[in-house]
Amino acid sequence: RKEVEQDPGPFNVPEGATVAFNCTYSNSASQSFFWYRQDCRKEPKLLMSVYSSGNEDGRFTAQLNRASQYISLLIRDSKLSDSATYLCVVWPLSSNTGKLIFGQGTTLQVKP
Amino acid sequence: GAGVSQSPSNKVTEKGKDVELRCDPISGHTALYWYRQSLGQGLEFLIYFQGNSAPDKSGLPSDRFSAERTGGSVSTLTIQRTQQEDSAVYLCASSFVTGGPPEQFFGPGTRLTVL
Repeated sequence: RKEVEQDPGPFNVPEGATVAFNCTYSNSASQSFFWYRQDCRKEPKLLMSVYSSGNEDGRFTAQLNRASQYISLLIRDSKLSDSATYLCVVWPLSSNTGKLIFGQGTTLQVKP
Repeated sequence: GAGVSQSPSNKVTEKGKDVELRCDPISGHTALYWYRQSLGQGLEFLIYFQGNSAPDKSGLPSDRFSAERTGGSVSTLTIQRTQQEDSAVYLCASSFVTGGPPEQFFGPGTRLTVL
C-alpha cells in the first residue's frame, strides 16, 4: 500500500464549479500535511499547509481528519488557471530529515 | 531572488553511459533534496543533504546512483551505467532547516531520457 494515496483523476469541471479532492495516508504518526500544485511540465510549488482545525486561503479550503487519516482540498468558483495537478504531501513524525512523502497527484482540468 | 536552478534542463543519453545532474540551491538553504518523477507518478525521494553530509540516502534505487554536495551549496547527482528505467524528471529542492516541516522550493528539473 502506498504511504499517500490520491485519485489521479482527471477531474473535468466547468468554470465556477466547486471541486473537492481527497487523499489518504497510511502512517498514523504523520505530523504535518500540505497541498502542492504542479503545472504541466513544471516544478511543484507549495499551495497551502493543512492544519488540524482546517484552514482557508481565498477559494481554497484544506481539511484534515486524523481519525480517518485523510486530507481534503476544496476549490470553490474554479478558474481556468486552477487547471493543474494537486499533490497531497505528508511529513512523517519519524522524519528527522525533512523528507516529504508525495502522493501521485490529482489532475484537475477546468473547462470554459 | 534567484530560485533553485538545475542543469541541464534536458539530457538524452544512451543506455550504459554515465550522466551527471547538477543542482544550485537557494542561497542560505542548508537542506537539499533530490527526487525523481516518472511519467504519471508522484515524486520519489532519493536523497537528503544537510550541509555536505547525507543523513538520508534511503531513496537511492541502486548503487548506480550517487550524489555529493560541496561547500554546502551545489549538489551533483550521478547515475552510472544508465538504464532505460532511469528515464524520468529529476527534481532538486532546497529549504531552511527549522526543526519543523520544511517548505521545499523546487528547481525546474532535469528531464533524462535513456535510449
